[in-house]
Amino acid sequence: AQSVSQHNHHVILSEAASLELGCNYSYGGTVNLFWYVQYPGQHLQLLLKYFSGDPLVKGIKGFEAEFIKSKFSFNLRKPSVQWSDTAEYFCAVHSGNTGKLIFGQGTTLQVKP
Amino acid sequence: GAGVSQSPSNKVTEKGKDVELRCDPISGHTALYWYRQSLGQGLEFLIYFQGNSAPDKSGLPSDRFSAERTGGSVSTLTIQRTQQEDSAVYLCASSLRSGGAAYNEQFFGPGTRLTVL
Repeated sequence: AQSVSQHNHHVILSEAASLELGCNYSYGGTVNLFWYVQYPGQHLQLLLKYFSGDPLVKGIKGFEAEFIKSKFSFNLRKPSVQWSDTAEYFCAVHSGNTGKLIFGQGTTLQVKP
Repeated sequence: GAGVSQSPSNKVTEKGKDVELRCDPISGHTALYWYRQSLGQGLEFLIYFQGNSAPDKSGLPSDRFSAERTGGSVSTLTIQRTQQEDSAVYLCASSLRSGGAAYNEQFFGPGTRLTVL
């Protein structure tokens, strides 16, 4: 079965610091990969997605992620975080042909002003 | 337009009682998914609907859990004889169609927080 692992469970950064959140998936075939974000008190929303093409994907709010097939990784990055980026971040992969998502355990990001 | 809505937003129940959680997907979305978010387990897939049929129920944790969808729209997740380990946030998502195509973004509702005492 497919699985997703996120290496960092809780990250604390100061504003303007750079961010990289790790994500690895288990499946070796064609994958569709996602990063979702859940801001405090809000519902899950899509940050970015990779289906094919350029492995460097740009999303909303200055986030980007790089798909590295040889490393089974899809790490999320942002050059300079803001206090408003405080949230929980989830990496996910499509599983099977139904479109259901398999999520990582999530990473809580706390940005100190 | 309106997003995915779920009701109730919070539900507190006693162990052994039955509960029903409702999801209203985005109009026109044929695919509907239920997930559960709990401490220690993260976000887990429960069940998927395409129209009114559920071709994938593989995530339902026990036979106390069931779900239905009517009219290709509203879905109800029912938990019978609730247990404390059922306490979690139950999320619903819908997408235009099912499958792994690029346009099939899943839009999530705000969730129902279930607490079983």
